Amino acid sequence: GAVVSQHPSWVICKSGTSVKIECRSLDFQATTMFWYRQFPKQSLMLMATSNEGSKATYEQGVEKDKFLINHASLTLSTLTVTSAHPEDSSFYICSAMENEQYFGPGTRLTVT
Amino acid sequence: GENVEQHPSTLSVQEGDSAVIKCTYSDSASNYFPWYKQELGKRPQLIIDIRSNVGEKKDQRIAVTLNKTAKHFSLHITETQPEDSAVYFCAASIGNTDKLIFGTGTRLQVFP
Repeated sequence: GAVVSQHPSWVICKSGTSVKIECRSLDFQATTMFWYRQFPKQSLMLMATSNEGSKATYEQGVEKDKFLINHASLTLSTLTVTSAHPEDSSFYICSAMENEQYFGPGTRLTVT
Repeated sequence: GENVEQHPSTLSVQEGDSAVIKCTYSDSASNYFPWYKQELGKRPQLIIDIRSNVGEKKDQRIAVTLNKTAKHFSLHITETQPEDSAVYFCAASIGNTDKLIFGTGTRLQVFP
């Protein structure tokens, strides 16, 4: 089946710094990837849609200048959390589209 | 905006019993309704899905029913086993796009 990886699996960063999370489709090409945020014991909240070769589209309430998305190739989308603050601490999970959404294993971000 | 409600939030059953999880959605244009199983610390995995032109779909012990008029869809698990214990999320497409809005999740515990 289709496999999606994320890197890193967990990261700790200091407040004010930026952190980049990678999402890769390993055995298929994905023109569309999605980024979600999941708080502990809560649901997945769609943040943005990453489109290969074009700008990402953001859901209402998600700051595009804070969560920078780049989808430079058919197998890679990156999410950069800029000027991170403790309230950005969360579990970030991506998915790649191939008939259905295949999810990555997630990245746990802790901002100190 | 679009909304998906999911009930119950927790469900405990004895091994061998059936489990039913219900969701309602608000977007009448939604046409795709997947169900995901998420074990602790792992990625969501698709277990079954249904499209709006179908009323029921079954895959071994798992079935999903859809009532478009009432905007309800349900997951039915028969002959539950301890390994069915996980959090289950329903989701509905936003219109006829690939974007999904997720329900709040149901923590299912199957006791041996």
